[in-house]
Amino acid sequence: GENVEQHPSTLSVQEGDSAVIKCTYSDSASNYFPWYKQELGKGPQLIIDIRSNVGEKKDQRIAVTLNKTAKHFSLHITETQPEDSAVYFCAASTRTGGSARQLTFGSGTQLTVLP
Amino acid sequence: DAGVIQSPRHEVTEMGQEVTLRCKPISGHNSLFWYRQTMMRGLELLIYFNNNVPIDDSGMPEDRFSAKMPNASFSTLKIQPSEPRDSAVYFCASCLSTDTQYFGPGTRLTVL
Repeated sequence: GENVEQHPSTLSVQEGDSAVIKCTYSDSASNYFPWYKQELGKGPQLIIDIRSNVGEKKDQRIAVTLNKTAKHFSLHITETQPEDSAVYFCAASTRTGGSARQLTFGSGTQLTVLP
Repeated sequence: DAGVIQSPRHEVTEMGQEVTLRCKPISGHNSLFWYRQTMMRGLELLIYFNNNVPIDDSGMPEDRFSAKMPNASFSTLKIQPSEPRDSAVYFCASCLSTDTQYFGPGTRLTVL
């Protein structure tokens, strides 16, 4: 099955700096890569996703890049703000039988933005 | 939209007791997922349903765990008997034939 590794496990940055979180996956058939943000006491929320036919996707201060050859993808947050502090999870998926995807999650990165 | 609703939000029980966690998916969504989150193992998929039918329960830890989805608007995850190692946050998520899974707020289970 799919295996997703995520680094680093913790990341502290100064407000206004950029943050980068990296993930690698094992199954070359994976074709969908979402990123979730989890705030304390809440469930994970999708913040951005990318499909295998795209190399990069951007949404305001958040961007995700995908290198299918190397089987890794990254989350980039620019101009970080204190409200970006949370745990971030990457995930990978192939479409299986049925209409929904099964996601395999990375172990999470605790991002702390220092004021 | 109210989002995915889970109850209870917190559950404290004693070893050996039966525990039932409940989930109401977003109206119209046809797929529902149960996850378990622990520090040691992260987010693990336990089981998922498509159109109320269990598709993959390979993540269910053992026979003490069971899940049902009697209709499109309700699902339960039952643990009987519960053990201390079952202590975790249990999430329910739903989606509509798309890639985006919407997570509920979770149920924090503590088994003493």
